[in-house]
Amino acid sequence: DVVLTQTPPTLSATIGQSVSISCRSSQSLLDSDGDTYLNWLLQRPGQSPQLLIYSVSNLESGVPNRFSGSGSETDFTLKISGVEAEDLGVYYCMQATHAPLTFGGGTKLELK
Amino acid sequence: VQLVESGGGLVQPGKSLKLSCSASGFTFSSYGMHWIRQAPGKGLDWVAYISSSSGTVYADAVKGRFTISRDNAKNTLYLQLNSLKSEDTAIYYCARSTLMDAWGQGASVTVSS
Repeated sequence: DVVLTQTPPTLSATIGQSVSISCRSSQSLLDSDGDTYLNWLLQRPGQSPQLLIYSVSNLESGVPNRFSGSGSETDFTLKISGVEAEDLGVYYCMQATHAPLTFGGGTKLELK
Repeated sequence: VQLVESGGGLVQPGKSLKLSCSASGFTFSSYGMHWIRQAPGKGLDWVAYISSSSGTVYADAVKGRFTISRDNAKNTLYLQLNSLKSEDTAIYYCARSTLMDAWGQGASVTVSS
């Protein structure tokens, strides 16, 4: 199975600070169809996860553009340019290139 | 788009439970659907997938014990959980497509004697 390693496990930030989360894959996530099926999800406290970014860098509809994704093959990054209070929660990367679908261990974003 | 899970509860080890996920706001029959679970205080764990044509795939941890199915006429996704173990205790979410662009609120399953 593909292992996704997220760092850091916990991130403390002040409002307005820019932060980045890394997701590294044990295998290339470039599919034979040319797409890379790496998504980012946010789970706010007490809520279900929600999709933020799909296929590495595509912003889901309704998601603020302070969120951005980048990367390729095995190395991916989620950046939040100016953290807001509503951004607090646990961020997960997930891959759907290789079966079975797998998730990273999560990065908890807290207020400093 | 709305997904609403039901059917969770407290069940003894070895017993069975059936979860439902009622879908609305989109053409249910056109989408593959997933079940994902989250053990207390833990991360997300993929459980099973059913395609729009009803092909199925399972995680090794549940293969042979859980069955995913769908009823397109009722816009409903199901997960039959048999031979339950304490390690199956979790919140079970249904999610739309491999994009995971819509999630239900979750159904809590507790396996305990």
